[in-house]
Amino acid sequence: QITLKESGPTLVKPTQTLTLTCTFSGFSLTTSGVGVGWIRQPPGKALEWLAFIYWDDDKRYSPSLKSRLTISKDTFKNQVVLTMTNMDPVDTATYYCAHRNIGARHDFDYWGQGTLVIVSS
Amino acid sequence: NFMLTQPHSVSESPGKTVTISCTRSSGSIASNFVQWYQQRPGSAPTTVIYEDDQRPSGVPDRFSGSIDSSSNSASLTISGLKTEDEADYYCHSYDSSNQVFGGGTKLTVL
Repeated sequence: QITLKESGPTLVKPTQTLTLTCTFSGFSLTTSGVGVGWIRQPPGKALEWLAFIYWDDDKRYSPSLKSRLTISKDTFKNQVVLTMTNMDPVDTATYYCAHRNIGARHDFDYWGQGTLVIVSS
Repeated sequence: NFMLTQPHSVSESPGKTVTISCTRSSGSIASNFVQWYQQRPGSAPTTVIYEDDQRPSGVPDRFSGSIDSSSNSASLTISGLKTEDEADYYCHSYDSSNQVFGGGTKLTVL
């Protein structure tokens, strides 16, 4: 079965760079149509899409955050890594990674449990 | 880039029917599929409707989805409301470059 799990620091200081890792199982990021996305949710607020990487290494970013984000994959380790530079307290949120297979259906059908990141000095 | 607008909150009594709307700001609602997610406090979202009107296995047929090109919006309808349906609901769509989530609707069943 498909599982995803986010990992990374709980606390980062303003201006620092955040690195989050999504470790997954049950699928391969070499399979046509498959991708992994990152979505965040500030406390009490809405979901916000951040980035997405496809099986063919095509990468897409939220226009409002594009300059701060980098997404990459390691197909051997079954991991997707997101980096976000110049962190600010407004970036405090739960960060989720999620699976999507556009060859099957168009939703994010499997999500990780999320990891809370707090930005504070 | 487009936006998806949802009502902030809706409330209805158990056994009744409620509809949550999701309006696309630009581009046709029919040009890309719409998904709906349910999120309970402290949990990750789960899909209740994908590709406008498809229900994943395990989702009761009390949940249904539709799109309306005349209003450029999608709707999630929940009939026979149960207290367990109380949650936040998010619509989701995309274009060639971006994924977009609506602002979420808090459903209260009272």
